[in-house]
Amino acid sequence: QKEVEQNSGPLSVPEGAIASLNCTYSDRVSQSFFWYRQYSGKSPELIMSIYSNGDKEDGRFTAQLNKASQYVSLLIRDSQPSDSATYLCAAFKFSGGGADGLTFGKGTHLIIQP
Amino acid sequence: DTGVSQDPRHKITKRGQNVTFRCDPISEHNRLYWYRQTLGQGPEFLTYFQNEAQLEKSRLLSDRFSAERPKGSFSTLEIQRTEQGDSAMYLCASSLIKNTGELFFGEGSRLTVL
Repeated sequence: QKEVEQNSGPLSVPEGAIASLNCTYSDRVSQSFFWYRQYSGKSPELIMSIYSNGDKEDGRFTAQLNKASQYVSLLIRDSQPSDSATYLCAAFKFSGGGADGLTFGKGTHLIIQP
Repeated sequence: DTGVSQDPRHKITKRGQNVTFRCDPISEHNRLYWYRQTLGQGPEFLTYFQNEAQLEKSRLLSDRFSAERPKGSFSTLEIQRTEQGDSAMYLCASSLIKNTGELFFGEGSRLTVL
């Protein structure tokens, strides 16, 4: 079982609707979670971080964390064609080394239909 | 431009040749990471530095791979005796220690081994 699981998609959402992206993680000691956006042929870009249970909102984006269920989600409101990209979920845990504590999922390919 | 820069952006080489990639991180960032990404997968951790010290290497990193960060500034990743399976995007990222998990990625160096 991979440490961070995402449905690879594609997830197709009409313009203006809410896009809901989901992620589960297997290691309960994971402490913080991140969403990166990656456009085709480009490098990942951090868009949201969440460290505690509940919701965190930033503009059109809301990240949700439920540590009991080991579940992270990203909601994108008023979806725009420019939101079409692959969204990578990442989980971080302190492993003594630091960097290999950040584990990425495969990503969900999101398509916003005009 | 004060972001993470990588060079070269593309490299085509023949199997068995050596290749070297360079990464210049954001100047005030003391952590520097190397990741590898193949099509349809999330970034996979290779190694990371805190200042000039290489603190961790992934089990994925064979003896043919070596990385340096001699003065705690730029870093190089060398692959010796390249194999076709080394074809991938090599991503460099940097961060502040306090914001581990919040990575800033460069545009990547795409390697094609023929």
